[in-house]
Amino acid sequence: AQSVAQPEDQVNVAEGNPLTVKCTYSVSGNPYLFWYVQYPNRGLQFLLKYITGDNLVKGSYGFEAEFNKSQTSFHLKKPSALVSDSALYFCAVRGPGEGYQKVTFGTGTKLQVIP
Amino acid sequence: GAGVSQTPSNKVTEKGKYVELRCDPISGHTALYWYRQSLGQGPEFLIYFQGTGAADDSGLPNDRFFAVRPEGSVSTLKIQRTERGDSAVYLCASSPSGLPSYNEQFFGPGTRLTVL
Repeated sequence: AQSVAQPEDQVNVAEGNPLTVKCTYSVSGNPYLFWYVQYPNRGLQFLLKYITGDNLVKGSYGFEAEFNKSQTSFHLKKPSALVSDSALYFCAVRGPGEGYQKVTFGTGTKLQVIP
Repeated sequence: GAGVSQTPSNKVTEKGKYVELRCDPISGHTALYWYRQSLGQGPEFLIYFQGTGAADDSGLPNDRFFAVRPEGSVSTLKIQRTERGDSAVYLCASSPSGLPSYNEQFFGPGTRLTVL
């Protein structure tokens, strides 16, 4: 079965500093990986995805993520955090073992950017 | 344009009652997904439709849960004999197609179900 782990329940970072939100996954075969963000009282919004090719993918709002196959990780990063980035972030995976249909989400990481 | 909408936004019911939750996907999106999100957890996959048919219903927890999408657009999630453990936020998402399966999903705001 496929799975996703987000080891940090919360990440605190000062505004203007770089941020990293960690994600590791477990699938058999090549994964499709996604990051979504959830703002209070709003639905999840897509940020970026890795399908194949370049390990560094860029997404919305200046976010990027690096796929590392050997470490089975897909950490979310941003060079300079904004207060408005404060939200709940979810990593998700689709794998061949589930026919690439079923999406498995992590438990989420709350990002708090401190002014 | 209009996003995914879900009604009602909140539903309070009593244990043992029947409830229906509705999802209106983005127009033209053929793939539709239902998830359940409990407090402090990520969305948990329930069922996936491609068009009118359920392509994968492996996430439905038991036979009290059922979902339909008769015309390939609006979907209804039906829960019979509700239990307190069914209390959660039920999320709906759609995407242009289930294939390719790397399409991102567009989520609705969710329906918060409370079973007393």
